[in-house]
Order: sequence, then structure tokens, then C-alpha cells
Amino acid sequence: EPEVTQTPSHQVTQMGQEVILRCVPISNHLYFYWYRQILGQKVEFLVSFYNNEISEKSEIFDDQFSVERPDGSNFTLKIRSTKLEDSAMYFCAGASGTGGTDTQYFGPGTRLTVL
Amino acid sequence: AQTVTQSQPEMSVQEAETVTLSCTYDTSESDYYLFWYKQPPSRQMILVIRQEAYKQQNATENRFSVNFQKAAKSFSLKISDSQLGDAAMYFCALRTVNSGYALNFGKGTSLLVTP
Repeated sequence: EPEVTQTPSHQVTQMGQEVILRCVPISNHLYFYWYRQILGQKVEFLVSFYNNEISEKSEIFDDQFSVERPDGSNFTLKIRSTKLEDSAMYFCAGASGTGGTDTQYFGPGTRLTVL
Repeated sequence: AQTVTQSQPEMSVQEAETVTLSCTYDTSESDYYLFWYKQPPSRQMILVIRQEAYKQQNATENRFSVNFQKAAKSFSLKISDSQLGDAAMYFCALRTVNSGYALNFGKGTSLLVTP
């Protein structure tokens, strides 16, 4: 069964550094999402992406964040200048559609630690 | 605004017994979808079960079933014949048709399964 994969599994970075988190969605998925989960808190939506454009974004997704699908397979989340509060688990998800029951399938997550 | 509330931070069940996890939600929309996701210690988000609001019949998936009470805006998850592998965080999530594609998660319930 195809799975969403994410790399790296754990990223440690210094405050102010740029990080790129990578996701390889399931091949027939067209809609992509990033969520984050600060330790001990609920999962929060960051951004959705379709047809090489952002479809929707939350208040969290400010100018420090960007997403792209550089080569038609990878889906990346870039944080330009990391802050301590960006430390969280970041999940990529994909779906084949946006119909009512089109399920979002999640990757295993990348744990980002900002020191 | 949408809200998802899981009032039980932790629950415990003995192996082979049945446990019910609670979830209430609030939305002004009539067309929406509800989900339960499981997050084991590996932290991957795994879909357990989903329910369309327009369906009166409660969804079931093997040992997992829901009690969907639309008027009360309640969406509880019942796990029958609990197994040690069911131990995880369980998140209730809401997705509305008119509010974009994002999942809105509750804070989660940690389920402990004892032998």
C-alpha cells in the first residue's frame, strides 16, 4: 500500500537558520497539506496546496513559511528564519480530491527542534 | 467558527473490554465530515474512521464504531475488544465543505490499554 513519506525524521537547527522539510505524497494525490503539532498540543493546519498554488492558509503560515512542489513529486515546506516556537512535529498530508469523504493521508512527520 | 472538543485527556481500558472516547463539535454548517485519527507513539496520524454528516447510519470499521448524534453535535468513538495495539492518542477532527479543506482537530485523548 502506498504511503506518504517525509524526510528528515528529525531536524535540529539553530534559531535564525532556514530549514526545508520534505514530503513525497502518494502518486495519485493532487491536494497537499502541512500541519504542525507542538508537543502536547493539538494538530494545527498550516497550508493547503493544489495545482502549484496555495489554496488556503492559516494565521500561523506567515511570511516566514513557504511551500512548493519543485519537481512534481516532492512537496516542501520552508521556514526561512526559524524561531524557538517553531519547534514542533510537522506533518504532510495528501488527498486525491476534496470531495466530502476524500481522506487526507498523513506522513510520519518531521520533528523540528530549534535551539 | 468551528470548534472540536475532546473532554477526556486520558482514558484507560483493559484488554478485551470496550471503551468510548467522547468528542463534541460546533459548526454552523450543515454539510461536514467527521474523522477519528489515531496517533501511536511513532506519532504517525492514522485514519480510524470517518462519518458524513448527511448519513444517519453510524460508521463502523471492524472493532471501531461511532455514535453520531447530529442534533447534540456529538461524535463518540467506541473501541470494542480493545487490544494492546490500540494504545495511542486519538484525535477527533472536523472538516466542513464551505470552510476549505483543512481538518480542525481536537486536543486528543490518550488511551491506555492494560493487560
